[in-house]
Amino acid sequence: GEDVEQSLFLSVREGDSSVINCTYTDSSSTYLYWYKQEPGAGLQLLTYIFSNMDMKQDQRLTVLLNKKDKHLSLRIADTQTGDSAIYFCAETLGYNKLIFGAGTRLAVHP
Amino acid sequence: DAGVIQSPRHEVTEMGQEVTLRCKPISGHNSLFWYRQTMMRGLELLIYFNNNVPIDDSGMPEDRFSAKMPNASFSTLKIQPSEPRDSAVYFCASSEADLYGYTFGSGTRLTVV
Repeated sequence: GEDVEQSLFLSVREGDSSVINCTYTDSSSTYLYWYKQEPGAGLQLLTYIFSNMDMKQDQRLTVLLNKKDKHLSLRIADTQTGDSAIYFCAETLGYNKLIFGAGTRLAVHP
Repeated sequence: DAGVIQSPRHEVTEMGQEVTLRCKPISGHNSLFWYRQTMMRGLELLIYFNNNVPIDDSGMPEDRFSAKMPNASFSTLKIQPSEPRDSAVYFCASSEADLYGYTFGSGTRLTVV
């Protein structure tokens, strides 16, 4: 099927690291994406990883890809209150068609 | 570039009325996507266009929904007649190529009463 699965909620303390996990279905996906959605806004592309990479780091963000297990994770270092949002994992299916997970709601508390 | 522009931002309509949502993609992007977001179903792809041609409309819920893209800079999603279960946030997104992912608009929040 076309299910991208994510846990629905994550709560972390400010300053700690957050890890959001995702499993996808299509082993032929060329790119995998993380999007962020803040309240009342559209989805914003956060980062992406090419399928032949295991890891990608971009400032406080680290993406890990395990192709064998079809597992993708997003680590946010030094999580801040401004990171509170819904995070969506997405895989490419066919030509330029993105399938999104249900989203993980990240709550950052003092 | 102003990004993907959707209008209206909010729409409240009565059941049975026709609703038209509008989208202006980013100039130069050749793919356009319509998504619907609800708490129950999350983000659902309704239809997407490539070079103004509908490629996959398998996500369109039923015949009450229709989408057009008469040119590269404009698309509409129409619901006729609308029903309360159509209440959702409708997003339009555009992309240039697979590499860059999508750029989303701010969405239209539709409420059908």
